[in-house]
Amino acid sequence: EPEVTQTPSHQVTQMGQEVILRCVPISNHLYFYWYRQILGQKVEFLVSFYNNEISEKSEIFDDQFSVERPDGSNFTLKIRSTKLEDSAMYFCASSDGAVHLFFGEGSRLTVL
Amino acid sequence: DAKTTQPTSMDCAEGRAANLPCNHSTISGNEYVYWYRQIHSQGPQYIIHGLKNNETNEMASLIITEDRKSSTLILPHATLRDTAVYYCIVSNFGNEKLTFGTGTRLTIIP
Repeated sequence: EPEVTQTPSHQVTQMGQEVILRCVPISNHLYFYWYRQILGQKVEFLVSFYNNEISEKSEIFDDQFSVERPDGSNFTLKIRSTKLEDSAMYFCASSDGAVHLFFGEGSRLTVL
Repeated sequence: DAKTTQPTSMDCAEGRAANLPCNHSTISGNEYVYWYRQIHSQGPQYIIHGLKNNETNEMASLIITEDRKSSTLILPHATLRDTAVYYCIVSNFGNEKLTFGTGTRLTIIP
């Protein structure tokens, strides 16, 4: 079965540093998403992306966050200046717009 | 999106059918019922969805009441690998801004 892949699986960073999380969506999908899950809490929507622009974003997705599709295969989430509260699992997902989302295995971000 | 209510946790014996209920009394006419699950800390995995008719696929069956105010996910022969948190989500079709609740933690007991 096709899958969404994410790198790195775990990243440790210092507060204030920039972090880029990478995702390779399923190849024929056109809709891309980032969700996050703080340890012990719910999975939360961050942003959706279609046709090279953000289609929707949550209140969490403030100016320190950005997304990009730099080439035909990757989809990235950048956090400009990480804070302690950014520590979480970040899940990338993709969809062909039809039925449901396919999620990746996640990138664990630890901010010290 | 309409809210859903699920039991916090459930146990089921291995090999038996696991029946996971969900209440969604404020569901609107164009909203679907989706089920996802999350095994340990992995990414959520789609299971099944439906509008008003019962649905079945290779993973599970979904039974939606006639008034659509509740549904039940059925895993027909639960295995240890089905131990996970199961999320019932109500959403418009094609709206992939999913609102996850706390779900039901299902534990399959050997």
